[in-house]
Order: sequence, then C-alpha cells, then structure tokens
Amino acid sequence: DSGVTQTPKHLITATGQRVTLRCSPRSGDLSVYWYQQSLDQGLQFLIQYYNGEERAKGNILERFSAQQFPDLHSELNLSSLELGDSALYFCASSVGTGTSGTSYEQYFGPGTRLTVT
Amino acid sequence: KNEVEQSPQNLTAQEGEFITINCSYSVGISALHWLQQHPGGGIVSLFMLSSGKKKHGRLIATINIQEKHSSLHITASHPRDSAVYICAAVNTDKLIFGTGTRLQVFP
Repeated sequence: DSGVTQTPKHLITATGQRVTLRCSPRSGDLSVYWYQQSLDQGLQFLIQYYNGEERAKGNILERFSAQQFPDLHSELNLSSLELGDSALYFCASSVGTGTSGTSYEQYFGPGTRLTVT
Repeated sequence: KNEVEQSPQNLTAQEGEFITINCSYSVGISALHWLQQHPGGGIVSLFMLSSGKKKHGRLIATINIQEKHSSLHITASHPRDSAVYICAAVNTDKLIFGTGTRLQVFP
C-alpha cells in the first residue's frame, strides 16, 4: 500500500459526459502528479501540482483540468468525454518538486479505470 | 523515435534465470525510475536512481549517465516476478515513460 488513494476505482460513462477523479496523496507529500495509461499511448504525464499550484504540464487535453485543494487532495476533471479517453488514470505523490534539480520518489495510487461507451 | 526506449518488449524466462531489461534515453534527466506493473494494473516504484547502482533483494538497477543507459536485473527469477517493467526518465518534474517490458517467468 503506497498510501496514495484514488476514487473511484472504476467509472463507466457515456460519450459527452463529464467525470471527476479524486486523489489523496500520502501524508506529508505536497506534490501530486496525474498520469494517463491507454492501450495505444502507454503511460503519459498529464499535470503536476505542488502545494496547490500548477507546476508542470504534459500532454493534457484542453477538455481536461485539474486542481489541488488546501488539504492537498487533487481532482482531475474530464469533460466532453470521447471513446479515446478510456484509460487508466493514475495519480502519484511525492514530498517535493524537482524543479530545483532534486528528484523525489513518486508513490503511485491504485488508479481509476475509466470506460467511455 | 521515443525519448525513452526499452528492450526487450517481451521476455520469457524459466524460474531461476538471470534477467536483464535495458533502458536508453535521449533527454537530459535528473533521475530514472524503474516501475513494476502487475496484471491488476497497480504500479509500484522499484528504484529511483541518478548514478551508480542500487540493490533491493533480488533486484539490481544500474545507470550510466554518460551512456544514457540503465539496466534492471533480476537474479533467481520467480513466477511472481511476472509483470510489466517500465523505466521512466525524470525530466524536471515530468516522468517520460518507456513502453515497458512484459516479463513472464514460468516454473
């Protein structure tokens, strides 16, 4: 158990809908990262937050947004869903942020499996 | 060409064999992760290293920064090692993932 929790575990929804995925980081971790794992693209970095602020952005679509709240949990919002958004969405957390050149271990949550029908 | 390349893509071994998975990267990195993903989907971080070598039980990870290459070794492989192994390069705070190596160890 990494200490990172994600809800829900599974989500089935229809095209055009909007969903929210939730992540609670390990106690004491200030950074939250979101990743998408699809069959055709593999694992991809979406976005990172550190202590409430966006720190890095990857291949995140404009239909997707995220935020980190004062209690450090994070939510990933996916809207106008398409079939191609079906994937496993992981969040990970770490103590710090690597922008100063220091790297920190990342701890992964169990993932949310999103199926868009 | 992917920024992080892994080989082989698939690997089959008999229990007890020594296994090596390779990872090459073309970007500047501050560290490199080795991750394990079991069929259920969960991801476990095995190692994070920025130089030299790390060992944990039967697993050994090495990295050569000059050659931009890392290896993951499994000694005395066991069926429970069957999983997908993924290397991920740390570029600022972003992880850039390899495509993974699917390992099956048969008894």
